[in-house]
Amino acid sequence: AQSVTQPDIHITVSEGASLELRCNYSYGATPYLFWYVQSPGQGLQLLLKYFSGDTLVQGIKGFEAEFKRSQSSFNLRKPSVHWSDAAEYFCAVPFNNDMRFGAGTRLTVKP
Amino acid sequence: NAGVTQTPKFRILKIGQSMTLQCTQDMNHNYMYWYRQDPGMGLKLIYYSVGAGITDKGEVPNGYNVSRSTTEDFPLRLELAAPSQTSVYFCASTENRGRLEYFGPGTRLTVT
Repeated sequence: AQSVTQPDIHITVSEGASLELRCNYSYGATPYLFWYVQSPGQGLQLLLKYFSGDTLVQGIKGFEAEFKRSQSSFNLRKPSVHWSDAAEYFCAVPFNNDMRFGAGTRLTVKP
Repeated sequence: NAGVTQTPKFRILKIGQSMTLQCTQDMNHNYMYWYRQDPGMGLKLIYYSVGAGITDKGEVPNGYNVSRSTTEDFPLRLELAAPSQTSVYFCASTENRGRLEYFGPGTRLTVT
């Protein structure tokens, strides 16, 4: 069955530093892949999605993600983190009528 | 558009009580979903619906029921609340099967 794994439970970066959040997927064919962000006390917001084509996907809020088939990865990146990016981030993959979510990575931003 | 709305935002229930979590979307989406979120566990699907009158179980349906009498509304019913149902509940909708794009703000439920 399709699944995703987020190896990092918690990451701390300094404001202005670059960010990379890891996501590994388990799927035979090319999957559809999604990244969501959840700010404290809020619902999930879709950041970006990959279906096919260009392996570098641009999303909202300055985020991008790169699909790497050879590494079964879909890592989320941002060149310069802002304090408002502090949140929990979820990678996900569709499975039947469901979405299978990773356990999430909590991002803390140091001033 | 209001998107996906959920009520209430917070609720405390005693063991054995029942309640209904409301979910409404104004985007005319056929697909609607209920998830629960527990710390460190991501989101787990409780029930989903592919259109009015059609519902099906997800990964963790025990202790819950749903109905879908209209396209807009997808209420989630807890009949006999148990402490294991303490969680944050999210409703979601989409026009594309399995590609969730819109989530509600959540309902934080505590069962004591």
